[in-house]
Amino acid sequence: SAVISQKPSRDICQRGTSLTIQCQVDSQVTMMFWYRQQPGQSLTLIATANQGSEATYESGFVIDKFPISRPNLTFSTLTVSNMSPEDSSIYLCSVGIDSNQPQHFGDGTRLSIL
Amino acid sequence: KNEVEQSPQNLTAQEGEFITINCSYSVGISALHWLQQHPGGGIVSLFMLSSGKKKHGRLIATINIQEKHSSLHITASHPRDSAVYICAVRPQGAQKLVFGQGTRLTINP
Repeated sequence: SAVISQKPSRDICQRGTSLTIQCQVDSQVTMMFWYRQQPGQSLTLIATANQGSEATYESGFVIDKFPISRPNLTFSTLTVSNMSPEDSSIYLCSVGIDSNQPQHFGDGTRLSIL
Repeated sequence: KNEVEQSPQNLTAQEGEFITINCSYSVGISALHWLQQHPGGGIVSLFMLSSGKKKHGRLIATINIQEKHSSLHITASHPRDSAVYICAVRPQGAQKLVFGQGTRLTINP
């Protein structure tokens, strides 16, 4: 199994600012995913972070709003840009060794925008 | 209609009761996951199933591929089992998971 360290665990931010969330894994993983969980809702996939190439975004999410980096097989960042109160959510990093193994999740970043 | 439907949405029970949470899905899948999310937000993977039944401690997960249905059972429930339980499926040929809405379980002492 993989151990994921996600930082920060929570933050309160001002409207219009940006925040970068980090996801560090203790082993090399092929698949890294970023999810958003709005209050009272289930998880929605934002994008798949690809090592060495641009992330693959899901419908409704764009790179300008959620730029993602993945410089190597153990690390990724998600930036939430130009934040508004609608961005208040839990953001979760998840990794998968391969499709035959369970996905592992970070503890999430609870983000509130004032 | 969501591809993954869970029932019930909320469940409150007394300590010691037998708990069942159901998950139905509408697509062909390669695997089904049961996840547990505690109030802090962190998610723990409980089971990954592609057929049959799995057991871990007081937790049992079953899946019926023909009926596109899975159940998560908790025996001798305890207040520490209080959490949101999420069913997620991996559609055939896809890398990503599709999530149910979750079941909020509260076990009272």
